[in-house]
Amino acid sequence: AIRMTQSPSSLSASTGDRVTITCRASQGISIYLAWYQQKPGKAPKLLIYAASTLQSGVPSRFSGSGSGTDFTLTISCLQSEDFATYYCQQYYSYPWTFGQGTKVEIK
Amino acid sequence: QLQLHESGPGLVKPSETLSLTCTVSGGSISSSSYYWGWIRQPPGKGLEWIGSIYYNGSTYYNPSLKSRVTISVDTSKNQFSLKLSSVTAADTAVYYCAVGTGDLDYWGQGTLVTVSS
Repeated sequence: AIRMTQSPSSLSASTGDRVTITCRASQGISIYLAWYQQKPGKAPKLLIYAASTLQSGVPSRFSGSGSGTDFTLTISCLQSEDFATYYCQQYYSYPWTFGQGTKVEIK
Repeated sequence: QLQLHESGPGLVKPSETLSLTCTVSGGSISSSSYYWGWIRQPPGKGLEWIGSIYYNGSTYYNPSLKSRVTISVDTSKNQFSLKLSSVTAADTAVYYCAVGTGDLDYWGQGTLVTVSS
């Protein structure tokens, strides 16, 4: 199985900050990479697919980049509603696998 | 816009079979080129993909669970189901149904299943 490793596992940031989360795959996955946001007690929400394509309705402050093994999710100007846990997921090969999550907390 | 809703027992005894159903509205389960699947999340932990069924009936399972998992579709009811046999406390989790083309566009709200005697 392809292992997805996110860093950091958690971070503290303030509203207005630029935040970057990285996701590394244990082998190349082309651009078959998605990012999700999950708030407590809620289902994950798709933010980005195909590594850099913004899901409809997702604010443009979210962006994704990368291909192969290294990927990033960037929030350009953190808003209060962005404090959540973020997961990456590869769908290049079975079994589909998720990163362990990055919790974005208020500083 | 697809909507998904999980249903099933919230408590299952050890060694028994966990059975959940996902009811789909807003679209036909048999007419779209989607993967219909299940993901679980143990309390306080991350996400684990359990398996998916393609619209043509092909199934794909996580090898870590493959010997215990069955995913099936009932097109007449616009539902798909999960069965997980021989459960233990380690199977206690929130179970989500979700659908997409690899990325998971639509999710149910999740249902907590506790394995306990």
